[in-house]
Amino acid sequence: KAGVTQTPRYLIKTRGQQVTLSCSPISGHRSVSWYQQTPGQGLQFLFEYFSETQRNKGNFPGRFSGRQFSNSRSEMNVSTLELGDSALYLCASSLVPAGSNTEAFFGQGTRLTVV
Amino acid sequence: AQSVTQPDIHITVSEGASLELRCNYSYGATPYLFWYVQSPGQGLQLLLKYFSGDTLVQGIKGFEAEFKRSQSSFNLRKPSVHWSDAAEYFCAVGFSSGGSYIPTFGRGTSLIVHP
Repeated sequence: KAGVTQTPRYLIKTRGQQVTLSCSPISGHRSVSWYQQTPGQGLQFLFEYFSETQRNKGNFPGRFSGRQFSNSRSEMNVSTLELGDSALYLCASSLVPAGSNTEAFFGQGTRLTVV
Repeated sequence: AQSVTQPDIHITVSEGASLELRCNYSYGATPYLFWYVQSPGQGLQLLLKYFSGDTLVQGIKGFEAEFKRSQSSFNLRKPSVHWSDAAEYFCAVGFSSGGSYIPTFGRGTSLIVHP
């Protein structure tokens, strides 16, 4: 069974541009969560989608948005990129909505560099 | 506010030596606890989790962790470290608040293994 797939693996963008990252969850999983990982801030929760609805959102500006499609694939968009947005963006999927005792499976991440 | 602390940024051990990685949390109730491992350029892999019951939990790759309520700790241990264990280790907790769930990760501990 295929794992969580994130595309692209690497991306270089210029300040002010926008970017879209993609995440395909494990087959049958309906919950997708996104995280930002940086050396300075560590792993921070961005948002979670379940059945095409955003369930939870972390403390990030409105430039960060996402959506989920009917096949559970999810996209994350960052507009007006800033240098500080350079990070590894991780996606995790789970069978049911992320709850305290839910196991999440992570993808390998997309490394975004903003120059 | 809830928080997770991994006091050691780096830990260096010799191959074959025992290992203990520390994790402390701050929360009013018993949270759900996880340990993940991240190898360079990879996503996170779940090592073990604690929800309830026996406070000593066994995980994959020979790891175990013990939940100590009185110390608000969930330390990860391995009796004999292998060179392939060199990676970043993250403690995570699941906090529920008002029906919502936002996972919180520690800042990570980087494990270096000397031959």
